[in-house]
Amino acid sequence: LAKTTQPISMDSYEGQEVNITCSHNNIATNDYITWYQQFPSQGPRFIIQGYKTKVTNEVASLFIPADRKSSTLSLPRVSLSDTAVYYCLVVIYGGSQGNLIFGKGTKLSVKP
Amino acid sequence: GAVVSQHPSRVICKSGTSVKIECRSLDFQATTMFWYRQFPKQSLMLMATSNEGSKATYEQGVEKDKFLINHASLTLSTLTVTSAHPEDSSFYICSARDQGAGFYEQYFGPGTRLTVT
Repeated sequence: LAKTTQPISMDSYEGQEVNITCSHNNIATNDYITWYQQFPSQGPRFIIQGYKTKVTNEVASLFIPADRKSSTLSLPRVSLSDTAVYYCLVVIYGGSQGNLIFGKGTKLSVKP
Repeated sequence: GAVVSQHPSRVICKSGTSVKIECRSLDFQATTMFWYRQFPKQSLMLMATSNEGSKATYEQGVEKDKFLINHASLTLSTLTVTSAHPEDSSFYICSARDQGAGFYEQYFGPGTRLTVT
């Protein structure tokens, strides 16, 4: 499984767009990029997943350049409730095990 | 969306006793469930993979005799912390993989806070 690197922490203000970049230089052909969100004392929650270019859902957008060695999670107009830890994971699609290996994550703090 | 529950949400036990934590997939079947442990201000660490009807697969460094895992049905996996000690105090989280969906369809439970006194 490819190792991921992301900033330890980020600060933002309400209403701003937040972009969290994740580096995964050793990503393999069959790997997908997946982001999870975790609030204190709760289990992680799936946010978004993609393979290349851009993916958008009701919560976030995921930008993946052509070389796929990095990805950027974009959260539009964050609110205080978006304060959480965000994890970037690289996983094998359709893998028989499906176990997820979590890195340190990025602690996002949204201020009023 | 699919829901995974855990019981209890928090438990306090005395050193030397055993504690059982249940993980249930409420509206889907899960042949595979995962158990994680998370210490304060740290990331989730995979402990073991629980397979329905077979023995669990433990990650390196995790004592299988201390953390007993049973996956007796397609909707229930249990983690028993045997002879608990204060260093076992942690946040235990399970996840379940929807067998009918892709790999990323993995849903996490709300976690169980274990405190060993």
